[in-house]
This record gives sequence, structure tokens and C-alpha cells, in this order.
Amino acid sequence: QVTLKESGPGILQPSQTLSLTCSFSGFSLSTSGICVSWIRQPSGKGLEWLATICWEDSKGYNPSLKNRLTISKDTSNNQAFLKITSVDTADTAIYYCARSDYGYTVFDYWGQGVMVTVSS
Amino acid sequence: IQMTQSPSLLSASVGDRVTLSCKAGQNINNYLAWYQQKLGEAPKLLIYNANSLQTGIPSRFSGSGSGTDYTLTISSLQPEDVATYFCQQYNSWYTFGAGTKLELK
Repeated sequence: QVTLKESGPGILQPSQTLSLTCSFSGFSLSTSGICVSWIRQPSGKGLEWLATICWEDSKGYNPSLKNRLTISKDTSNNQAFLKITSVDTADTAIYYCARSDYGYTVFDYWGQGVMVTVSS
Repeated sequence: IQMTQSPSLLSASVGDRVTLSCKAGQNINNYLAWYQQKLGEAPKLLIYNANSLQTGIPSRFSGSGSGTDYTLTISSLQPEDVATYFCQQYNSWYTFGAGTKLELK
């Protein structure tokens, strides 16, 4: 059974760095074809892809946010991570992690999401 | 690649045939997915490669289209289909449409 679960700080202040963790089970990020992505959704709004990391350690970033994003993984502990630097109120959103199983393709399993609020 | 969905809000009755549209800013070579998001839940994959039904999704959902124009059809609307539907292109990284909110009339 594939499951993913996001965790994060809940609330942080403008200019800080947001660190998110995606803990998953039922698959391995060392298996050929497997990728984990981060997607966010401001309250009541649409979905925005942020970043993807794959089994062979290739990475992809949303061009509009690339300078602020770092994605990484810990294959041994079945986790993926995302850091976003210099956050501001526009980064307030629900953050999801999701799996793809054929490289940079569709997201077939999603976590429940974690709410992150940026506020002074 | 910009993705434009229409309409933004759709009201329909149980049993209706419902059609949602998604237009890409350029040819996306059928690399088009549809997701369903119910209130308070994560999105769920319905359709991939424009017309392939994800495992476990009811057959009343279908996808079609090519090039820049794609459609999600629900053949007979059920109460549990009330949700927001997003299209997504994966021809060049990932972009989502703004969504179509489907409600019961």
C-alpha cells in the first residue's frame, strides 16, 4: 500500500527558510522510474508544481521559483525534502507531496497535505 | 505552458452528461491528466495520457482530445462527483489549469 505524509513547521515568519519532509511507504525512491514531487495550493486556489526528484537523483524545478527551491531525498529512510528560502505571505498554502512511477509523468498517489502559514 | 479550463463553474443535475474543457497554450502531445479534488482532500488522478482511465476510477469518467484541446466527460453525473476538476500537462515540466468547480443543480 502506497502512502505519503507531509510534515512541516506549521507557521513561520517572512524571510525564513521553509523545510518540508515527505515520508512515504509502499515504494522506494531507489526503484527505476519512481519520482516524488512537491505541489502547493493556496487556500481556495489552484495547484502549483514546485519541484521533482527522481530515483537516479535528477531534479526539476518550477522555473518561476527555481532560485528559492532545493529538493533532496534520503532513500534509506524513505523521505524526500523541500526547502524554500526567503518565504513571504504568498507562500502560505497547503503543501502536498506526490509520487510518479514512470519518471516525469502523472502523480498517482498524493499525501494528505500540510498547511504552512507565513505570518509576522 | 499555460492551461486554460472552462467553464470555471458548472451546475448540473444527477444523471446529466457533463463535459469539462481544457486548452493548452501549445501542443502537449496528449500528455494531459485530469484530477478530481473534493473539499478538504488531496487531488485524485482520474485520467492520464489524455484518455487512459486510472485503475479504480468509475467508467463514467472518460477523457478525449489531442494537440491543444482536451475534454473530460462524465457520462451520468452522480452526487459523489461534486468536486473541483483540474487538468495538468506533463509535456514540459508540469502546469495545472485553474480548475472547474462542479456542483449539483
